[in-house]
Amino acid sequence: ETGVTQTPRHLVMGMTNKKSLKCEQHLGHNAMYWYKQSAKKPLELMFVYNFKEQTENNSVPSRFSPECPNSSHLFLHLHTLQPEDSALYLCASSTRDGYNEQFFGPGTRLTVL
Amino acid sequence: TQLLEQSPQFLSIQEGENLTVYCNSSSVFSSLQWYRQEPGEGPVLLVTVVTGGEVKKLKRLTFQFGDARKDSSLHITAAQPGDTGLYLCAGEGNYGGSQGNLIFGKGTKLSVKP
Repeated sequence: ETGVTQTPRHLVMGMTNKKSLKCEQHLGHNAMYWYKQSAKKPLELMFVYNFKEQTENNSVPSRFSPECPNSSHLFLHLHTLQPEDSALYLCASSTRDGYNEQFFGPGTRLTVL
Repeated sequence: TQLLEQSPQFLSIQEGENLTVYCNSSSVFSSLQWYRQEPGEGPVLLVTVVTGGEVKKLKRLTFQFGDARKDSSLHITAAQPGDTGLYLCAGEGNYGGSQGNLIFGKGTKLSVKP
């Protein structure tokens, strides 16, 4: 595998379910990110991890819980979501130096019923 | 809060036409990036511009950074159906909660018809 991979690509869940999104980067980067992409809105930065330490939590509701066990893996644990949380969730990685150019995964299309 | 405004929001053109999309802000950015996102995929970096007035070319795509580093444009010559996608500009935040993180515009959705 090369680049940034995300699983699953599609997820449908009820409001009472618990699920997790997984991201893996094979680029040797030290920073990883979760973004939310909704229609008619700019990409919203949710969480930033730099060398496995969370450096940013952009006022994200606690029903979203990130986990970064090492510099290559990033998870987003989901529980008791709302229908308005339906969106494309994108993972990205970068070296966090230079111009912070980011490499994105293909995203997980999440639908909350 | 630093914001990036992109225009137009939607653009539908015929193959062979030229087009320009814009990315504007009231804030100064140290650099701006352009990404293209195709349906069902994540954004892919096209270019980074860092110097005021800088022009970069990528085949039929020409990117320009404004002299004051508050705006940027993307010009496509002789558009092809393969250029279809969502074009996003992004700048690195300079202060507050955005410092060091990318701020994205809403994007321009381009459709090129054969």
